[in-house]
Amino acid sequence: EAGVAQSPRYKIIEKRQSVAFWCNPISGHATLYWYQQILGQGPKLLIQFQNNGVVDDSQLPKDRFSAERLKGVDSTLKIQPAKLEDSAVYLCASSSRTSGGVGGEQFFGPGTRLTVL
Amino acid sequence: AQSVTQLGSHVSVSEGALVLLRCNYSSSVPPYLFWYVQYPNQGLQLLLKYTSAATLVKGINGFEAEFKKSETSFHLTKPSAHMSDAAEYFCAVSGNSGYSTLTFGKGTMLLVSP
Repeated sequence: EAGVAQSPRYKIIEKRQSVAFWCNPISGHATLYWYQQILGQGPKLLIQFQNNGVVDDSQLPKDRFSAERLKGVDSTLKIQPAKLEDSAVYLCASSSRTSGGVGGEQFFGPGTRLTVL
Repeated sequence: AQSVTQLGSHVSVSEGALVLLRCNYSSSVPPYLFWYVQYPNQGLQLLLKYTSAATLVKGINGFEAEFKKSETSFHLTKPSAHMSDAAEYFCAVSGNSGYSTLTFGKGTMLLVSP
């Protein structure tokens, strides 16, 4: 079974530029998550999708971050414009539990390391 | 609301020694608890989880954790450390209702010396 795929693995941009990350979850997983992991901290949930609907985006900075999940499969996370404090690893995860992953395992991709200069 | 506190950002042990990584949780509802491991430049991998069944949970790679409600703790242990156990370990908590999300601790880096 193929794991969660993410691209690119690394990205360096100047502040105020835009950037997009792509995630392909495990086939058949209904729930998809984007996390932000700042150096020295644990992952923080940005947004959770159930199929192609948003379940939780309470911690997504909506003035600059956006995410979509087309057809309930792949997802993209965009930052526009980027700030220095957006430097972090962006992790995508997916889960097969239709109830949103409660008690179920989330499978994580390798992440995209973003550096904003 | 849920939260977890991991005591110690770094823990150093010798190969063959006991590993003990501490996690205390706060939750307004009966929690589900998880331990994840992260190797350098990789995503997180689930070690074990507690979902209100047995309080002593066994995971992969010889790790186990015990849920203690009276102490609001879910400490991770392994009897004998291997060099390959060197990684960052994250404790996480979720609620037990639909669409509950994971809240992670800040992580503990485990260093294993020969």
